Amino acid sequence: EVQVVESGGGQVEPGGSLRLSCEASGFTLSTYSVSWVRQAPGKGLEWVSFISARGSDRYYADPVKGRFTISRDNTINSVYLQLNSLRAEDTALYYCARASRSQLLNFYYYYMDVWGRGTTVAVSS
Amino acid sequence: DIQLTQSPSFLSASVGDRVTITCRASRGIAIYLAWYQHKPGKAPKLLIYGASTLQSGVPSRFSGSRSGTEFTLTINSLQPEDFATYYCQQLNTYLPLTFGGGTKVEI
Repeated sequence: EVQVVESGGGQVEPGGSLRLSCEASGFTLSTYSVSWVRQAPGKGLEWVSFISARGSDRYYADPVKGRFTISRDNTINSVYLQLNSLRAEDTALYYCARASRSQLLNFYYYYMDVWGRGTTVAVSS
Repeated sequence: DIQLTQSPSFLSASVGDRVTITCRASRGIAIYLAWYQHKPGKAPKLLIYGASTLQSGVPSRFSGSRSGTEFTLTINSLQPEDFATYYCQQLNTYLPLTFGGGTKVEI
């Protein structure tokens, strides 16, 4: 079965750090880009970060720039999200999603076609 | 930057209804838009990408269209399993991969 599974969430105090992991099964993650998306309690989906298949392109949403770092280890089919300087507003369910590629003329774009069930991050004192 | 404005935010409908959800982009994004379905406690599910391409395995009662910067998700003959929250997302990686605010479809 094609799936991704997130892990690493937990409760942390403001200013603390966590590292989230995303592991894939049923497909080779190294050939896909990956995004992280979060959902705060009672709120909608919010895109957090994106990493290309080889790790050469990395993008971040403004609220997490400078605090979160996305990375990957293609030798073990895993993607990571390092969360530093955590704030209460980072409390959310964090989803990992495989990003498949499509093309229009000479431009590639990516859509999230395989999602995990998420890992919860709670930031409070 | 880019904003995606979904309307309505809430929608009450009945089984068998035809439902239309709109997503307006604050700037041109060509066809770089996807629609997702999300149910509580479940992983989000891709329905449409490239504005109108139906994802494999998604029922044909779901369809997407585009007119300029306005995108539409249509569900023909709403089924009980379709009651969920729907989100649009822009897919151009040169911009933030922003989601719309969501549309909750309720009975």
